[in-house]
Amino acid sequence: GESVGLHLPTLSVQEGDNSIINCAYSNSASDYFIWYKQESGKGPQFIIDIRSNMDKRQGQRVTVLLNKTVKHLSLQIAATQPGDSAVYFCAENPPPSNTGKLIFGQGTTLQVKP
Amino acid sequence: EAQVTQNPRYLITVTGKKLTVTCSQNMNHEYMSWYRQDPGLGLRQIYYSMNVEVTDKGDVPEGYKVSRKEKRNFPLILESPSPNQTSLYFCASTTRGTGKTEAFFGQGTRLTVV
Repeated sequence: GESVGLHLPTLSVQEGDNSIINCAYSNSASDYFIWYKQESGKGPQFIIDIRSNMDKRQGQRVTVLLNKTVKHLSLQIAATQPGDSAVYFCAENPPPSNTGKLIFGQGTTLQVKP
Repeated sequence: EAQVTQNPRYLITVTGKKLTVTCSQNMNHEYMSWYRQDPGLGLRQIYYSMNVEVTDKGDVPEGYKVSRKEKRNFPLILESPSPNQTSLYFCASTTRGTGKTEAFFGQGTRLTVV
């Protein structure tokens, strides 16, 4: 079946450094991808999204890159702060894309060292 | 304020005692779903609903039931809970249609079955 996976379960970075969280997806027909952040004791929250007709999208301190050739998605966080410590999930919206269905990856825990 | 509200937040119960976790959203979304979150497995979809009286199985539906009598409510029912259903549960309400699919999550329900 289809799945969305993350390469590393845990990523530890120094405060102020840039973080890169990776995700591999398997459904080449998926055309919409989202990154979620889950802080301790809370539900996942939307960070940034990207459609398959783009290869890069920037937000505030975050950038999502999409490589459709190798079905790879990444989230880059610039100048990582302690408040960025959380679990990050990628999600894909498989076809038919108007159903609302999202398939989530396993998550990467980002630890920010002061 | 856009919200997804689940109750209870924490629940300890005994094997076989029926329970219901409630979920309510105020965004008039058609698509709602339930996920369970377990260490190393990410978010797995239990059931989803594309509209009132329209429900379908997700990836891990065994041991669960749902109903969708009203658009805003989507309760999760465990008729005879077992210890392997000990988990963290999230309800999500999702926009859908062309352009964007974003899931709004509740705060989670931590269920322990002894």
